[in-house]
Amino acid sequence: QKEVEQNSGPLSVPEGAIASLNCTYSDRGSQSFFWYRQYSGKSPELIMFIYSNGDKEDGRFTAQLNKASQYVSLLIRDSQPSDSATYLCAVNVGNYQLIWGAGTKLIIKP
Amino acid sequence: KAGVTQTPRYLIKTRGQQVTLSCSPISGHRSVSWYQQTPGQGLQFLFEYFSETQRNKGNFPGRFSGRQFSNSRSEMNVSTLELGDSALYLCASRDGRGLNTEAFFGQGTRLTVV
Repeated sequence: QKEVEQNSGPLSVPEGAIASLNCTYSDRGSQSFFWYRQYSGKSPELIMFIYSNGDKEDGRFTAQLNKASQYVSLLIRDSQPSDSATYLCAVNVGNYQLIWGAGTKLIIKP
Repeated sequence: KAGVTQTPRYLIKTRGQQVTLSCSPISGHRSVSWYQQTPGQGLQFLFEYFSETQRNKGNFPGRFSGRQFSNSRSEMNVSTLELGDSALYLCASRDGRGLNTEAFFGQGTRLTVV
């Protein structure tokens, strides 16, 4: 059973601090990894994707991938109240299937 | 470029009835996946269609079925509705021809079974 694990939270972070969200996956053959943000009552929207080991930065967001340890993380710098949402990690496994984590609820406290 | 369109947005049905939901993917995308999401829960994968063929399937009962047409539009059908089927149903559109393709979601159909 191919799995993606995330801490459900909630993760509470003060405004302006760095929020760190983690995701582990079981399939060593996974090649692509995605972070989505979902506001309450809305559909998920893509924040970032990463394919290679290391860091990928996009504005206040940094995705980190470590294939040897089978984890991918998302850092949000200078956290804003508008970043409060559920963050979903998705991993592309064999047969083109995306496996989803259950999501981490992030709360940014003003 | 138009996004993913799901219709209807809201639906109220009675237990025992059946329902059909529709999803029009992004132009050029050939993969459509369907998900069920209940409050506080993650995305539960129903099935994925690619080029009119079911390519992947989740662990839902046979009451949940789908199909995809030659223009890549997809429909999902739920027969003999149960109260527990009340949920947000999301469809996701992908190019589907490579491993490194991200999914784009529609706004969802919120189904209430009474």
